[in-house]
Amino acid sequence: LAKTTQPISMDSYEGQEVNITCSHNNIATNDYITWYQQFPSQGPRFIIQGYKTKVTNEVASLFIPADRKSSTLSLPRVSLSDTAVYYCLVGDNWNAGNMLTFGGGTRLMVKP
Amino acid sequence: DADVTQTPRNRITKTGKRIMLECSQTKGHDRMYWYRQDPGLGLRLIYYSFDVKDINKGEISDGYSVSRQAQAKFSLSLESAIPNQTALYFCATSDSSRLAGGSTDTQYFGPGTRLTVL
Repeated sequence: LAKTTQPISMDSYEGQEVNITCSHNNIATNDYITWYQQFPSQGPRFIIQGYKTKVTNEVASLFIPADRKSSTLSLPRVSLSDTAVYYCLVGDNWNAGNMLTFGGGTRLMVKP
Repeated sequence: DADVTQTPRNRITKTGKRIMLECSQTKGHDRMYWYRQDPGLGLRLIYYSFDVKDINKGEISDGYSVSRQAQAKFSLSLESAIPNQTALYFCATSDSSRLAGGSTDTQYFGPGTRLTVL
């Protein structure tokens, strides 16, 4: 089961770009990388998912280098409402009975 | 996500009581999950179910049991609640899907149930 490591917390200011990096040194060939966002007292919400190179959607971009041992979630021009906890998960094959785990996540605080 | 509902949203109970938390989904997903979250910590998986006849223990199943009554319903029971089961409980669903190069599991979470055991 691929383990992930990400910073415990980050601070930023409104309008800035925020990059959160996740390390997953033992990622397996078939693993996907998924990021979730969680606001206080709410369930996590899917943000973005990727396998390699770069993925972009209306919310964020995900950069994955060729060795796939890390990934970076990029949030463009953050606002106060982006203050949340961000979780990086590396997906094993659920059909084999392996379980995804949510680690402690990165607590992002966006300041005015 | 309004497609995944949890009842009750808040519950206060006493040590030793039996408690049932319910989860329903209208997303038509085959997979359902129960997590708990303690203050300031990440989510920990309690049980998961890939279909009505498939129930699996997660990393912290002791003290909990589940029932998958139908594809759309997945209940979590605490047979004899204890104070260290005080936490925020989330239900989630996913659709078993396979993408090129591997498989993945995007989960959709309910609003949570805040349980306090006195």
